[in-house]
Amino acid sequence: AQTVTQSQPEMSVQEAETVTLSCTYDTSENNYYLFWYKQPPSRQMILVIRQEAYKQQNATENRFSVNFQKAAKSFSLKISDSQLGDTAMYFCAFLRYSGNTPLVFGKGTRLSVIA
Amino acid sequence: DTGVSQDPRHKITKRGQNVTFRCDPISEHNRLYWYRQTLGQGPEFLTYFQNEAQLEKSRLLSDRFSAERPKGSFSTLEIQRTEQGDSAMYLCASSIDDRISVTEAFFGQGTRLTVV
Repeated sequence: AQTVTQSQPEMSVQEAETVTLSCTYDTSENNYYLFWYKQPPSRQMILVIRQEAYKQQNATENRFSVNFQKAAKSFSLKISDSQLGDTAMYFCAFLRYSGNTPLVFGKGTRLSVIA
Repeated sequence: DTGVSQDPRHKITKRGQNVTFRCDPISEHNRLYWYRQTLGQGPEFLTYFQNEAQLEKSRLLSDRFSAERPKGSFSTLEIQRTEQGDSAMYLCASSIDDRISVTEAFFGQGTRLTVV
């Protein structure tokens, strides 16, 4: 079974600074998808960024980028120019490409952006 | 389509009562998930459907939990003989996953269950 590990339960960053959230996963698959989701306090989960394992280029979405290291099974999220609205729980998630398996989440990292 | 809809948003029930939650996914999405989330924790997988077929149910899920997705549209999650440990946020998500295209999972706002 696939597992996703987020080793940083809590992190904080000063506004406008850069922060990196870590995620590692365990799989024997070669094709899969990785996601970072954001869950603001008392609000619903939304997608931040996704990465297909067959793509060597790291995904970027505005201030959000990933460092995908397939051999190391590592998928970290970098948030640049942190904003107060980035304060949230961040979850890393894994989905096997070959189907018939569920989307699996890590336990999350609580990020606080400090003014 | 306004996204994944869950009903009710909040439910308070007495221990031992049965409760049922509903999820309406995004209309063209063939995959539907149910997760449970407690405060400060990640979503814990409960079960999921591919169209109307229930593909997997978590081994952590007791027999008191059952889910259906008739006709591959909306889904219901029923908890029988509720216990205080069932108190949590129940999240529904839907996606497209047909091996040709895969989208991310879109989440509803959840149903918060409190068992007293």
